[in-house]
Amino acid sequence: IAGITQAPTSQILAAGRRMTLRCTQDMRHNAMYWYRQDLGLGLRLIHYSNTAGTTGKGEVPDGYSVSRANTDDFPLTLASAVPSQTSVYFCASSPRLMGGANVLTFGAGSRLTVL
Amino acid sequence: KNQVEQSPQSLIILEGKNCTLQCNYTVSPFSNLRWYKQDTGRGPVSLTIMTFSENTKSNGRYTATLDADTKQSSLHITASQLSDSASYICVVAYGGATNKLIFGTGTLLAVQP
Repeated sequence: IAGITQAPTSQILAAGRRMTLRCTQDMRHNAMYWYRQDLGLGLRLIHYSNTAGTTGKGEVPDGYSVSRANTDDFPLTLASAVPSQTSVYFCASSPRLMGGANVLTFGAGSRLTVL
Repeated sequence: KNQVEQSPQSLIILEGKNCTLQCNYTVSPFSNLRWYKQDTGRGPVSLTIMTFSENTKSNGRYTATLDADTKQSSLHITASQLSDSASYICVVAYGGATNKLIFGTGTLLAVQP
């Protein structure tokens, strides 16, 4: 089934550790995104990529980095995790960067707890 | 300040009943408005997208309306089913050629037998 695969599904991490959340899509979408979802807040954009080789900062980029080596993969890295990064992380994609009425397709999410 | 507000925060209805969820926004320049359904433990799934010129759009038992003058949208669910239990998120796109998205905090709907 075409879509987005995220890994891990959930992870408990000690503060200060490095963590990479993986995201792979098989829809050949050009644009990919990372969002975080926290209780009482709407989804917030962390980073995005318009196409392979390019990335951009979203609303809450501090403490996170991304890379886009190819069309399908868009990993999110926390270089040194802090408790405020405890959240549910969603990877998403769309055919093009969010102009017009592009539909966003989301992965199932990665629940991260930083202790 | 660009904002999206949804009401109610949560709602409990009996199976078979109808319900309406509300979304008010203060966003400029407006591009389109989307409704997503998010099941517990899953990612959001798109239900509808409406542009400025559209005032109603249906997807099965889901009907979304948009009043761009009053900056209000509603999502009406007809003949609810247990599987409709989920969070419903209103998302407004703004900014012209390269849209930005603002996500509402969602309405949590519980359908009881």
